[in-house]
Amino acid sequence: DTGVSQNPRHKITKRGQNVTFRCDPISEHNRLYWYRQTLGQGPEFLTYFQNEAQLEKSRLLSDRFSAERPKGSFSTLEIQRTEQGDSAMYLCASSLDPGPNEKLFFGSGTQLSVL
Amino acid sequence: DAKTTQPNSMESNEEEPVHLPCNHSTISGTDYIHWYRQLPSQGPEYVIHGLTSNVNNRMASLAIAEDRKSSTLILHRATLRDAAVYYCILRDVQGGSEKLVFGKGTKLTVNP
Repeated sequence: DTGVSQNPRHKITKRGQNVTFRCDPISEHNRLYWYRQTLGQGPEFLTYFQNEAQLEKSRLLSDRFSAERPKGSFSTLEIQRTEQGDSAMYLCASSLDPGPNEKLFFGSGTQLSVL
Repeated sequence: DAKTTQPNSMESNEEEPVHLPCNHSTISGTDYIHWYRQLPSQGPEYVIHGLTSNVNNRMASLAIAEDRKSSTLILHRATLRDAAVYYCILRDVQGGSEKLVFGKGTKLTVNP
């Protein structure tokens, strides 16, 4: 069990650039979640997948954000035309069994800084 | 989503028990109580969860009030490694949305 892996760990970009983050979940975990966290706040839900199907997106997620999970394995989160307000820690989590006993396993996150 | 209320911060001394409270007065009958914690520079990690009965695992104990309107996470002997933000979350899997909704949590400081 290598845990949830996120790459890169840190990303610095200029406003207006596109960025893409990758998340490799724990093997055989069929659920994958993306969260965003700013300093002093709890993680904020962005979206989640059941295998390759994207089941829910936050209403707060602008059209500049898109996530994919081809083949139900790794996932990517792309932010187009980044803004300074996008600066945050982006967290990925995976789980095996949905339902009331579901346990999420989080990665260490990708810290995005938009200059 | 049903909401929880936690103190912003708490302090404890090393090797002493810690009781982290959580109020959830609007909890519904199908809400499970989940606790996660987040150590500095890491993603959250699962601690414990329960529905009605008290629960114990190797990390902590969860005491749930009889009316389920509050719960307490108990760390039996705090260590410096327990310094983290602790999140109390209600999870209703019958409500159609299965995501975890995090609040601001309680920042626990453990003094040596």
